[in-house]
Amino acid sequence: GQNIDQPTEMTATEGAIVQINCTYQTSGFNGLFWYQQHAGEAPTFLSYNVLDGLEEKGRFSSFLSRSKGYSYLLLKELQMKDSASYLCAVLDSNYQLIWGAGTKLIIKP
Amino acid sequence: SQTIHQWPATLVQPVGSPLSLECTVEGTSNPNLYWYRQAAGRGLQLLFYSVGIGQISSEVPQNLSASRPQDRQFILSSKKLLLSDSGFYLCAWRSPDSTPRRGEKLFFGSGTQLSVL
Repeated sequence: GQNIDQPTEMTATEGAIVQINCTYQTSGFNGLFWYQQHAGEAPTFLSYNVLDGLEEKGRFSSFLSRSKGYSYLLLKELQMKDSASYLCAVLDSNYQLIWGAGTKLIIKP
Repeated sequence: SQTIHQWPATLVQPVGSPLSLECTVEGTSNPNLYWYRQAAGRGLQLLFYSVGIGQISSEVPQNLSASRPQDRQFILSSKKLLLSDSGFYLCAWRSPDSTPRRGEKLFFGSGTQLSVL
């Protein structure tokens, strides 16, 4: 079967750095997305990786290793507004999105 | 610019009652449209998607149905709700000119929190 694993919840301190991991086992791979979702709101796009390596976008970076079936989202200089769930999703061989359950990130002052 | 509208935001319905959730997209033509359900502690589950008027694909057998009566309108329905239909329902669209191969992102509506009691 297809599986996306992320930690259920993480806690970090304002101003610090946090890394949210995602491992996947899917039938094929055509890219990996990260979305941010505040409680009760719609997910919003953060990043897309299809090649190995690190993609940096401001305070957020996303890394991919296809051989390891692994990605992480790195958030720097954490702000209170970064408190949200972070969803990892993989495009499989049929170009269907397989979603992880999301990681709830709690930021403390 | 493109916008997506989804309503209602919250809904409390008794078991056995009907359901109709509506989603409309503005600022684009012939979008690919999607209905997802998000249950607590679980990933987004694709329910239906549509690539054109009257073209509906169902991903999972269930108590729900979808229709696309107009190009930019997508409706999720049920004749008789079950307790298990409770969840957060999200409508989404993707540009018709994009392909998943280019990693085009989805744009989500604001969601409907459905509670079936």
